[in-house]
Amino acid sequence: RKEVEQDPGPFNVPEGATVAFNCTYSNSASQSFFWYRQDCRKEPKLLMSVYSSGNEDGRFTAQLNRASQYISLLIRDSKLSDSATYLCVVNRRGRGSTLGRLYFGRGTQLTVWP
Amino acid sequence: GAVVSQHPSRVICKSGTSVKIECRSLDFQATTMFWYRQFPKKSLMLMATSNEGSKATYEQGVEKDKFLINHASLTLSTLTVTSAHPEDSSFYICSAIALRQTSGNQPQHFGDGTRLSIL
Repeated sequence: RKEVEQDPGPFNVPEGATVAFNCTYSNSASQSFFWYRQDCRKEPKLLMSVYSSGNEDGRFTAQLNRASQYISLLIRDSKLSDSATYLCVVNRRGRGSTLGRLYFGRGTQLTVWP
Repeated sequence: GAVVSQHPSRVICKSGTSVKIECRSLDFQATTMFWYRQFPKKSLMLMATSNEGSKATYEQGVEKDKFLINHASLTLSTLTVTSAHPEDSSFYICSAIALRQTSGNQPQHFGDGTRLSIL
């Protein structure tokens, strides 16, 4: 089973729409959680960290449910510039290691059309 | 914010060539850097963890003799793809963690990637 599972999409939505992405992770020892954005042929860029209490950054809201090992990202009022691939990322320390490593989902592709 | 620079951004070369990719942390010291590879429409896969002053730790299935990693200073790690073949063509990305962030709970800072094409 993969560490991080995401619906690859694609999601095609009009400007102004609200869109939600889901992600599940397999290892309950996972410690920290992130959403990254990756534009075509570019490196991933951190969008936001995800906390159990839920957190919001402008039009973006992230939620974490540790009990069900589920992470979500909600984008409100979609803009054309939101078109990208959204990566669900989980950080977990290896056994005997103080340093975490990242596990990436394969990404969910979003296209926002005018 | 933290900046990681990767060079070159694009390499096209013949089969059998060795290619060196540099990853630099520009405004912070990084004891640990990570090397990832991403094939089209696939997720990033960790290849190895590069530790300053010691040997890199390779993930299962990654040949250490083919992907040579050198992390000689707190701001520079290099990945050398030796005797590259077409199947090594991929997007290689490095990331770094700042010296004070070794708790492992902070996000990594990514370089802008190197697109390697072997003919």
